[in-house]
Amino acid sequence: DAKTTQPPSMDCAEGRAANLPCNHSTISGNEYVYWYRQIHSQGPQYIIHGLKNNETNEMASLIITEDRKSSTLILPHATLRDTAVYYCIVLIYNFNKFYFGSGTKLNVKP
Amino acid sequence: GAVVSQHPSRVICKSGTSVKIECRSLDFQATTMFWYRQFPKKSLMLMATSNEGSKATYEQGVEKDKFLINHASLTLSTLTVTSAHPEDSSFYICSAVAGERETQYFGPGTRLLVL
Repeated sequence: DAKTTQPPSMDCAEGRAANLPCNHSTISGNEYVYWYRQIHSQGPQYIIHGLKNNETNEMASLIITEDRKSSTLILPHATLRDTAVYYCIVLIYNFNKFYFGSGTKLNVKP
Repeated sequence: GAVVSQHPSRVICKSGTSVKIECRSLDFQATTMFWYRQFPKKSLMLMATSNEGSKATYEQGVEKDKFLINHASLTLSTLTVTSAHPEDSSFYICSAVAGERETQYFGPGTRLLVL
């Protein structure tokens, strides 16, 4: 599986958009980009995933660059409850072994 | 939909005893479940893949005789920590693959403390 690189931490003001970057420069053509988050002492929560097109759901938007070497998770209006560690994972669809990296600790501040 | 539960949520046991943790998919059937462990301030580490009706496959460095996994039905997988020691104290998390969406959904985790 391709490795991912994420900044260890980010701050965001409540109500503003949070843009979380992920580099996956060795991603192969059949690997998807998944995003999960883990709120303290809970199991990870699925957010969104995509292959090459941008994706949006009720939680977030996923922007994947044209060369697919990086992506950005966008939380459009961050709230205090969005404070969590966000993980970007790339893997082949239907081969579900997740290897978690260190993730990005997002701190949403009032 | 796609809810995964774990039981117990936390357990304290004496060194040398065995502890069983259950992982259930509540509203879907899961042919594949995964078990992870997480130490404080660290990321999740995949321990093993649990397949319904067959033996689990373990990641390198994970002792299969210490961490027994049984996936007896399409909605239940169990992890038994045998002869637990203090170094086994950790946060254990399971996940299940929702077949139609092929996405992993995670349980809330079980915190194990071995005294």
